[in-house]
Amino acid sequence: EAQVTQNPRYLITVTGKKLTVTCSQNMNHEYMSWYRQDPGLGLRQIYYSMNVEVTDKGDVPEGYKVSRKEKRNFPLILESPSPNQTSLYFCASSQTGATQPQHFGDGTRLSIL
Amino acid sequence: QKEVEQNSGPLSVPEGAIASLNCTYSDRGSQSFFWYRQYSGKSPELIMFIYSNGDKEDGRFTAQLNKASQYVSLLIRDSQPSDSATYLCACWGTSGTYKYIFGTGTRLKVLA
Repeated sequence: EAQVTQNPRYLITVTGKKLTVTCSQNMNHEYMSWYRQDPGLGLRQIYYSMNVEVTDKGDVPEGYKVSRKEKRNFPLILESPSPNQTSLYFCASSQTGATQPQHFGDGTRLSIL
Repeated sequence: QKEVEQNSGPLSVPEGAIASLNCTYSDRGSQSFFWYRQYSGKSPELIMFIYSNGDKEDGRFTAQLNKASQYVSLLIRDSQPSDSATYLCACWGTSGTYKYIFGTGTRLKVLA
């Protein structure tokens, strides 16, 4: 089954404790992306990757890191999480190209106290 | 001005009616446009995409694109209560990048 898998689905943690949210896709997609979704602000792109070792900033990259060492994986790293990073996070993947829709993971609800 | 604007709603329509959802975008360089549906607490799922001026139909859904007016719309015919959700408009390829920009979504309520 074609899917984008995120882990964990829920996480409560404390300020400053490094965390990683994993994302894996089994569709051999080149393009992968991370979003955060906040009430009233919609989905905002954090980082995206066009292919292995190729990443670029989205609209809200501050406080986040990503890496793309393998095509299927695109982890999101919060080196020193802060409460303003409490949000619902989605990973998505697609083939590269203007007409390729994104497939979204189920989301990770992150709470930082 | 937001790059992708949608009326937040809620837009309420009776069952069986046509629901019309609208989206405007500011970057003329945007290449393609997507409509996603998102149920509360769930991930977005694709409804339609369009990249050429005009209409594109798929079942009960019709997407309309007018690049001159920088306007994208989604029509849902014969609306059903199960269509009640938030509809997100997204643009790809803004400012010559490979970024996606999403609107904040329009909440649709179909009344039985």
